[in-house]
Amino acid sequence: ELKVEQNPLFLSMQEGKNYTIYCNYSTTSDRLYWYRQDPGKSLESLFVLLSNGAVKQEGRLMASLDTKARLSTLHITAAVHDLSATYFCAVGRTGNQFYFGTGTSLTVIP
Amino acid sequence: DTAVSQTPKYLVTQMGNDKSIKCEQNLGHDTMYWYKQDSKKFLKIMFSYNNKELIINETVPNRFSPKSPDKAHLNLHINSLELGDSAVYFCASSPPGAGLYEQYFGPGTRLTVT
Repeated sequence: ELKVEQNPLFLSMQEGKNYTIYCNYSTTSDRLYWYRQDPGKSLESLFVLLSNGAVKQEGRLMASLDTKARLSTLHITAAVHDLSATYFCAVGRTGNQFYFGTGTSLTVIP
Repeated sequence: DTAVSQTPKYLVTQMGNDKSIKCEQNLGHDTMYWYKQDSKKFLKIMFSYNNKELIINETVPNRFSPKSPDKAHLNLHINSLELGDSAVYFCASSPPGAGLYEQYFGPGTRLTVT
């Protein structure tokens, strides 16, 4: 069974600081997705990474994919309070299967 | 203009009852999904339908039965509800393209079984 692990599970960081969330997965895939979930809300797509070495950036968030290491990272630059949310990575497999990571709950403190 | 909608948003019911959750998407997507998110926020795929045909049925109890009357709708029927079924259920859809695109999630249905 495919396992997708994120760390840290909980992250509290000060505004203005940088940090990285890691997503490790247990079997081969070249499709990796990042989602954001605000408390009590649905999931919103952030990034779709479809090849080894893919890097995408949007605002203060940058995601990358290393398929050989089975690792994706979500880097946060100069955090602001609005980024407080839970972030999920998900790995895609054939047959439109998606396996979600454990989630990282991020709190940005003023 | 809602993309993926679910009804109801909240559902409180007693053990042993049967209930349904409806999902509709107006994005023209071919594939629809049901996910269960537990109290620890862990998301697990339950079902996936492509053009009205079941393509994934993870190991969920057979008390859960998905029904897709057409490719814009995927409903979830749950028989003999148990306390452990309490969770948030999300419907999602994705365009054709074998995973080249992200999924679009509905607002969720919070099910509470008492």
